[in-house]
Amino acid sequence: EVQLVESGGGLVQPGGSLKLSCAASGFTFSGSAMHWVRQASGKGLEWVGRIRSKANSYATAYAASVKGRFTISRDDSKNTAYLQMNSLKTEDTAVYYCTRFVGAAAAYNWFDPWGQGTLVTVSS
Amino acid sequence: DIQMTQSPSSLSASVGDRVTITCRASQSISSYLNWYQQKPGKAPKLLIYAASSLQSGVPSRFSGSGSGTDFTLTISSLQPEDFATYYCQQSYSTPPDTFGQGTRLEIK
Repeated sequence: EVQLVESGGGLVQPGGSLKLSCAASGFTFSGSAMHWVRQASGKGLEWVGRIRSKANSYATAYAASVKGRFTISRDDSKNTAYLQMNSLKTEDTAVYYCTRFVGAAAAYNWFDPWGQGTLVTVSS
Repeated sequence: DIQMTQSPSSLSASVGDRVTITCRASQSISSYLNWYQQKPGKAPKLLIYAASSLQSGVPSRFSGSGSGTDFTLTISSLQPEDFATYYCQQSYSTPPDTFGQGTRLEIK
């Protein structure tokens, strides 16, 4: 069964840091790009960023709202992706989901599956 | 960035109804359009990819259509488990991947 499990969420003060993990199983993690998407309470889905596979040079990309503050990495030996969040703001409060990119960048592609999400609360 | 706009934002319907949700892109995205279902407290689930392809395991009462800028998700006969929020997502011009604001489908 293809599965993603996030962890690492919690309460952090504004300006603080937090690192989320996304543990994958049931598929060839090393060959897959991984994305992070967040959702503030009662709001819609917001793409955060992604990391491609080794074959694609581990290329990363970020939403404008988090660029320069968030960093996505991966450890293929552990089948895990990470989201390092620095200089956190109250508006970063959300449930953070990791999801697998399926398809190809120059062809049809989609997100499947999604993890269960982990809640990050930025508050003093 | 490509903007995705869904309509309506919310919808009330009854079990057995036929329901259509619309998604419009700010520019042509060919058929690079996906639909997800999200139930309260749960992660999104892929329903339709490439505008009209049904994800494995998704009931056939769900269907998608459209190309260019206008797309629809149709549920042919609403079931109790279909009451949820639905999101469209474009994968034509990324990053960033962009989602519609969601359509909340409620029981009438």
